[in-house]
Amino acid sequence: EPEVTQTPSHQVTQMGQEVILRCVPISNHLYFYWYRQILGQKVEFLVSFYNNEISEKSEIFDDQFSVERPDGSNFTLKIRSTKLEDSAMYFCARDRVQETQYFGPGTRLLVL
Amino acid sequence: GENVEQHPSTLSVQEGDSAVIKCTYSDSASNYFPWYKQELGKRPQLIIDIRSNVGEKKDQRIAVTLNKTAKHFSLHITETQPEDSAVYFCAASNDYKLSFGAGTTVTVRA
Repeated sequence: EPEVTQTPSHQVTQMGQEVILRCVPISNHLYFYWYRQILGQKVEFLVSFYNNEISEKSEIFDDQFSVERPDGSNFTLKIRSTKLEDSAMYFCARDRVQETQYFGPGTRLLVL
Repeated sequence: GENVEQHPSTLSVQEGDSAVIKCTYSDSASNYFPWYKQELGKRPQLIIDIRSNVGEKKDQRIAVTLNKTAKHFSLHITETQPEDSAVYFCAASNDYKLSFGAGTTVTVRA
């Protein structure tokens, strides 16, 4: 059973369009993370979110990206104007104990 | 930032043999080192982790060792089985942000 669920499981979009990826925790957690994995490559950190604020972000997480927890439950990653190179698997993760991070099932994003 | 190197990139072993994957990290402040297993099309799954105050940890057929002085850590899988075939990633963290290695594709030959 996944520690978090993610929707959608797959998303196909046109270049320049906005996408919103969602992460729904099973229970209450304070720390959330977004990672991405381009096909065949390693997992890369995007952003960490603690207590409704960004705590750290990577160089990848530029102005095109934003994160929110709009309703206090769902945790969203928005890409404002998608580029071809944004095509990847996007994983939400949360921690249970200290830094032990468990990944959600992921959203496969394809930008055409 | 943290840089994690992982070797080898591919590893083929006979069923029943052992597999060893090695990682090095650059940031001496890193204090948490998890290992993830990823099957094709699936999410990374945490299989074992170790913290900097421990030198070795074992869980059934899987063990991890950490050498903080040399800044390297290793995953050992004994008595490999076909279901161990997957991509394995090491990672390092000192601030809740995981930096991953490039991954090792392990193939267990029956």
